[in-house]
Amino acid sequence: DTAVSQTPKYLVTQMGNDKSIKCEQNLGHDTMYWYKQDSKKFLKIMFSYNNKELIINETVPNRFSPKSPDKAHLNLHINSLELGDSAVYFCASSQDLGLADYNEQFFGPGTRLTVL
Amino acid sequence: AQSVTQLDSHVSVSEGTPVLLRCNYSSSYSPSLFWYVQHPNKGLQLLLKYTSAATLVKGINGFEAEFKKSETSFHLTKPSAHMSDAAEYFCVVREGGADGLTFGKGTHLIIQP
Repeated sequence: DTAVSQTPKYLVTQMGNDKSIKCEQNLGHDTMYWYKQDSKKFLKIMFSYNNKELIINETVPNRFSPKSPDKAHLNLHINSLELGDSAVYFCASSQDLGLADYNEQFFGPGTRLTVL
Repeated sequence: AQSVTQLDSHVSVSEGTPVLLRCNYSSSYSPSLFWYVQHPNKGLQLLLKYTSAATLVKGINGFEAEFKKSETSFHLTKPSAHMSDAAEYFCVVREGGADGLTFGKGTHLIIQP
């Protein structure tokens, strides 16, 4: 019954490694997002995908790359991990990009990434 | 461009007393405004949203917020705090189109017994 799910929930890894976080939504939504929450709890959008097309890429290093194999999945790949990448990463989805009442963003439970 | 300012990083109230979490926004257009709550080690849950309908919005768990365009504010209130309300609260603005949500820096709500 989980609407937006992420795996893994916790990820601990060494600096320099490459890792992926998976996200799946079973809501039939067209748009998915990745957000980063830093140690001070500040949340900032990283990417959004609409119908498999990248819509936003904020000031995110190109070590981060979203991959969407289909509409229900948006995975986050991170190459050459750095200490500053330690954060909680949230996946979200919404029906589309508009402001209609139905267009709420649903968030996954988050993935806590720790880079040692 | 859109932005949101949460005026208090921490708010502490006694159980049973009113809660007020303050939020001011800046937006070039008519925005949608949201309050999300994050309990410790948990994900984000939508409390309520304003999308240009009624200016007084009621949400879950007894929370409500009033959109005041003249003051560019969207403060969150609850008449009587409960211990389970202790959490981080985020005020969020969205202008639509290709933009995602822009989060405030959060207000940590502490409930004293």
